[in-house]
Amino acid sequence: EVQLLESGGGLVKPGGSLRLSCAASGTAFTGYTVNWVRQAPGKGLEWVSSISAGGVYIYYSDSVRGRFTISRDSADNSVYLQMKSLRAEDTAIYYCAREIPGTPFDHWGQGALVTVSS
Amino acid sequence: EIVLTQSPGTLSLSPGERATLSCRASQSITSTFLGWYQQKPGQAPRLLISATSTRATGIPDRFSGSGSGTEFTLTISRLEPEDFAVYYCQHYGSSRKTFGQGSKVEIK
Repeated sequence: EVQLLESGGGLVKPGGSLRLSCAASGTAFTGYTVNWVRQAPGKGLEWVSSISAGGVYIYYSDSVRGRFTISRDSADNSVYLQMKSLRAEDTAIYYCAREIPGTPFDHWGQGALVTVSS
Repeated sequence: EIVLTQSPGTLSLSPGERATLSCRASQSITSTFLGWYQQKPGQAPRLLISATSTRATGIPDRFSGSGSGTEFTLTISRLEPEDFAVYYCQHYGSSRKTFGQGSKVEIK
Protein backbone atom coordinates (compact mmCIF):
# COMPACT_ATOMS: atom_id res chain seq x y z
CA GLU A 1 0.00 0.00 0.00
CA VAL A 2 1.26 3.44 -0.94
CA GLN A 3 1.64 5.75 2.03
CA LEU A 4 2.81 9.34 2.11
CA LEU A 5 3.45 11.00 5.45
CA GLU A 6 4.02 14.71 5.97
CA SER A 7 5.78 16.11 9.02
CA GLY A 8 7.32 19.35 10.22
CA GLY A 9 4.22 21.52 10.50
CA GLY A 10 3.62 23.85 13.39
CA LEU A 11 3.22 27.42 14.61
CA VAL A 12 5.70 30.01 13.33
CA LYS A 13 5.85 33.80 13.54
CA PRO A 14 5.54 35.98 10.44
CA GLY A 15 8.89 36.20 8.71
CA GLY A 16 9.96 32.84 10.14
CA SER A 17 10.97 29.59 8.48
CA LEU A 18 9.79 26.00 8.53
CA ARG A 19 10.72 22.83 6.68
CA LEU A 20 8.12 20.24 5.75
CA SER A 21 8.99 16.66 4.96
CA CYS A 22 7.07 14.08 2.98
CA ALA A 23 8.18 10.49 3.44
CA ALA A 24 7.02 7.69 1.20
CA SER A 25 6.66 4.02 1.98
CA GLY A 26 8.96 1.70 0.07
CA THR A 27 9.50 2.81 -3.51
CA ALA A 28 6.35 4.92 -3.66
CA PHE A 29 8.29 7.92 -5.00
CA THR A 30 10.51 6.12 -7.47
CA GLY A 31 9.86 7.52 -10.93
CA TYR A 32 7.20 9.93 -9.71
CA THR A 33 6.96 13.70 -9.68
CA VAL A 34 6.00 14.95 -6.22
CA ASN A 35 3.85 17.99 -5.58
CA TRP A 36 2.94 20.15 -2.60
CA VAL A 37 -0.65 21.39 -2.46
CA ARG A 38 -2.03 23.59 0.29
CA GLN A 39 -5.47 24.36 1.64
CA ALA A 40 -6.10 27.44 3.75
CA PRO A 41 -8.74 27.05 6.47
CA GLY A 42 -12.18 26.70 4.89
CA LYS A 43 -10.76 27.28 1.40
CA GLY A 44 -10.02 25.27 -1.72
CA LEU A 45 -6.91 23.52 -3.00
CA GLU A 46 -3.91 25.52 -4.22
CA TRP A 47 -0.99 23.89 -6.03
CA VAL A 48 2.30 25.14 -4.54
CA SER A 49 5.28 23.36 -6.07
CA SER A 50 6.49 20.25 -7.86
CA ILE A 51 9.76 18.37 -8.36
CA SER A 52 10.38 15.79 -11.07
CA ALA A 53 11.54 12.25 -10.48
CA GLY A 54 15.19 13.11 -11.03
CA GLY A 55 14.93 16.49 -9.35
CA VAL A 56 15.75 18.35 -12.56
CA TYR A 57 12.43 20.03 -13.19
CA ILE A 58 11.17 22.23 -10.38
CA TYR A 59 8.20 24.59 -10.49
CA TYR A 60 6.54 27.00 -8.07
CA SER A 61 3.34 28.96 -7.91
CA ASP A 62 3.69 32.72 -8.14
CA SER A 63 2.56 33.05 -4.52
CA VAL A 64 5.59 31.18 -3.12
CA ARG A 65 8.34 31.60 -5.73
CA GLY A 66 11.46 33.07 -4.15
CA ARG A 67 10.39 32.09 -0.63
CA PHE A 68 9.87 28.31 -0.83
CA THR A 69 12.35 25.67 -2.02
CA ILE A 70 11.43 22.11 -2.93
CA SER A 71 13.98 19.29 -2.88
CA ARG A 72 14.12 15.53 -2.72
CA ASP A 73 16.39 12.82 -1.37
CA SER A 74 16.10 9.55 -3.24
CA ALA A 75 18.13 7.71 -0.66
CA ASP A 76 15.47 8.13 2.00
CA ASN A 77 12.42 8.43 -0.29
CA SER A 78 11.61 11.91 0.93
CA VAL A 79 10.64 15.26 -0.49
CA TYR A 80 11.08 18.53 1.38
CA LEU A 81 9.57 22.00 1.27
CA GLN A 82 11.73 24.69 2.85
CA MET A 83 9.57 27.70 3.60
CA LYS A 84 11.06 31.12 4.42
CA SER A 85 9.70 34.63 4.95
CA LEU A 86 6.39 33.11 5.98
CA ARG A 87 3.26 35.23 5.93
CA ALA A 88 -0.13 34.91 7.56
CA GLU A 89 -1.58 33.95 4.18
CA ASP A 90 0.69 30.87 4.10
CA THR A 91 -1.38 29.39 6.93
CA ALA A 92 -2.79 26.14 5.55
CA ILE A 93 -2.73 22.38 5.57
CA TYR A 94 0.09 21.31 3.28
CA TYR A 95 -0.35 18.04 1.41
CA CYS A 96 2.23 16.15 -0.60
CA ALA A 97 0.92 14.21 -3.57
CA ARG A 98 2.61 12.12 -6.24
CA GLU A 99 1.99 12.04 -9.97
CA ILE A 100 3.23 10.51 -13.15
CA PRO A 101 3.62 13.57 -15.42
CA GLY A 102 0.53 14.01 -17.51
CA THR A 103 -1.69 12.17 -15.05
CA PRO A 104 -3.49 13.41 -11.93
CA PHE A 105 -2.34 13.04 -8.34
CA ASP A 106 -3.07 9.44 -7.45
CA HIS A 107 -1.93 9.39 -3.81
CA TRP A 108 -1.88 12.09 -1.17
CA GLY A 109 -0.52 12.35 2.33
CA GLN A 110 -2.74 13.22 5.28
CA GLY A 111 -1.44 16.78 5.46
CA ALA A 112 0.61 18.95 7.82
CA LEU A 113 -0.80 22.10 9.39
CA VAL A 114 1.28 25.26 9.16
CA THR A 115 0.09 28.25 11.17
CA VAL A 116 1.77 31.62 10.71
CA SER A 117 0.81 33.94 13.53
CA SER A 118 2.39 36.26 16.03
CA GLU B 1 -2.33 30.00 -16.74
CA ILE B 2 -5.59 28.13 -17.15
CA VAL B 3 -8.32 29.13 -14.70
CA LEU B 4 -11.00 26.59 -13.79
CA THR B 5 -14.39 27.83 -12.61
CA GLN B 6 -16.73 25.35 -10.95
CA SER B 7 -20.48 25.66 -10.55
CA PRO B 8 -22.60 25.59 -8.60
CA GLY B 9 -20.76 26.54 -5.43
CA THR B 10 -23.15 24.43 -3.38
CA LEU B 11 -25.66 21.81 -4.48
CA SER B 12 -28.35 20.70 -2.00
CA LEU B 13 -29.75 17.30 -2.86
CA SER B 14 -31.27 14.23 -1.24
CA PRO B 15 -29.82 10.70 -1.28
CA GLY B 16 -30.83 8.94 -4.46
CA GLU B 17 -30.90 12.13 -6.53
CA ARG B 18 -28.61 12.95 -9.42
CA ALA B 19 -25.81 15.50 -9.02
CA THR B 20 -24.34 17.39 -11.95
CA LEU B 21 -21.23 19.49 -11.34
CA SER B 22 -19.67 21.80 -13.91
CA CYS B 23 -16.06 22.83 -14.50
CA ARG B 24 -15.35 25.54 -17.05
CA ALA B 25 -11.83 26.29 -18.30
CA SER B 26 -10.64 29.77 -19.29
CA GLN B 27 -9.29 28.31 -22.54
CA SER B 28 -9.66 25.04 -24.39
CA ILE B 29 -7.80 22.17 -22.74
CA THR B 30 -7.00 18.65 -23.86
CA SER B 31 -9.44 16.24 -22.26
CA THR B 32 -6.54 13.97 -21.32
CA PHE B 33 -5.52 16.50 -18.68
CA LEU B 34 -8.74 17.08 -16.74
CA GLY B 35 -9.44 15.25 -13.51
CA TRP B 36 -11.82 15.28 -10.54
CA TYR B 37 -11.24 14.78 -6.81
CA GLN B 38 -13.51 14.24 -3.84
CA GLN B 39 -12.68 15.67 -0.42
CA LYS B 40 -14.49 14.94 2.83
CA PRO B 41 -14.02 16.99 6.01
CA GLY B 42 -10.71 16.31 7.72
CA GLN B 43 -9.46 14.13 4.88
CA ALA B 44 -7.07 14.52 1.98
CA PRO B 45 -8.54 14.71 -1.51
CA ARG B 46 -9.16 11.42 -3.30
CA LEU B 47 -8.80 10.96 -7.04
CA LEU B 48 -12.11 10.07 -8.72
CA ILE B 49 -11.67 10.66 -12.43
CA SER B 50 -8.72 11.13 -14.78
CA ALA B 51 -8.63 12.10 -18.45
CA THR B 52 -12.15 13.57 -18.22
CA SER B 53 -13.95 10.24 -17.97
CA THR B 54 -11.73 7.41 -16.64
CA ARG B 55 -12.67 6.31 -13.14
CA ALA B 56 -9.81 5.73 -10.74
CA THR B 57 -9.33 2.33 -9.12
CA GLY B 58 -12.17 1.45 -6.78
CA ILE B 59 -14.44 4.33 -7.78
CA PRO B 60 -18.05 3.15 -8.21
CA ASP B 61 -19.74 3.50 -11.58
CA ARG B 62 -22.31 5.99 -10.30
CA PHE B 63 -19.52 8.53 -10.83
CA SER B 64 -18.99 9.58 -14.44
CA GLY B 65 -17.19 12.38 -16.21
CA SER B 66 -17.66 13.98 -19.58
CA GLY B 67 -16.82 17.05 -21.58
CA SER B 68 -14.40 18.64 -23.99
CA GLY B 69 -12.84 21.96 -24.89
CA THR B 70 -13.75 24.31 -22.06
CA GLU B 71 -16.78 22.55 -20.54
CA PHE B 72 -16.50 19.49 -18.31
CA THR B 73 -19.00 17.71 -16.09
CA LEU B 74 -18.92 15.31 -13.16
CA THR B 75 -22.15 13.39 -12.69
CA ILE B 76 -23.15 11.29 -9.70
CA SER B 77 -26.11 9.26 -10.91
CA ARG B 78 -27.66 8.37 -7.54
CA LEU B 79 -26.26 10.01 -4.45
CA GLU B 80 -25.25 7.73 -1.62
CA PRO B 81 -24.81 9.12 1.92
CA GLU B 82 -21.01 8.89 1.57
CA ASP B 83 -21.03 11.08 -1.57
CA PHE B 84 -21.83 14.30 0.28
CA ALA B 85 -18.52 16.10 0.06
CA VAL B 86 -16.62 18.79 -1.84
CA TYR B 87 -15.53 18.08 -5.42
CA TYR B 88 -12.63 19.72 -7.26
CA CYS B 89 -11.67 19.65 -10.90
CA GLN B 90 -8.00 19.93 -11.86
CA HIS B 91 -6.01 20.65 -15.00
CA TYR B 92 -2.67 18.81 -14.93
CA GLY B 93 -1.47 19.34 -18.48
CA SER B 94 1.15 21.97 -17.74
CA SER B 95 3.96 22.59 -15.29
CA ARG B 96 1.57 24.61 -13.12
CA LYS B 97 -1.34 22.49 -12.01
CA THR B 98 -4.59 24.33 -11.33
CA PHE B 99 -7.68 23.46 -9.35
CA GLY B 100 -11.19 24.77 -9.52
CA GLN B 101 -12.52 26.44 -6.40
CA GLY B 102 -14.68 23.43 -5.53
CA SER B 103 -18.35 22.48 -5.46
CA LYS B 104 -19.98 21.27 -2.28
CA VAL B 105 -22.69 18.63 -2.44
CA GLU B 106 -24.72 18.85 0.75
CA ILE B 107 -27.69 16.95 2.11
CA LYS B 108 -30.97 18.72 1.52
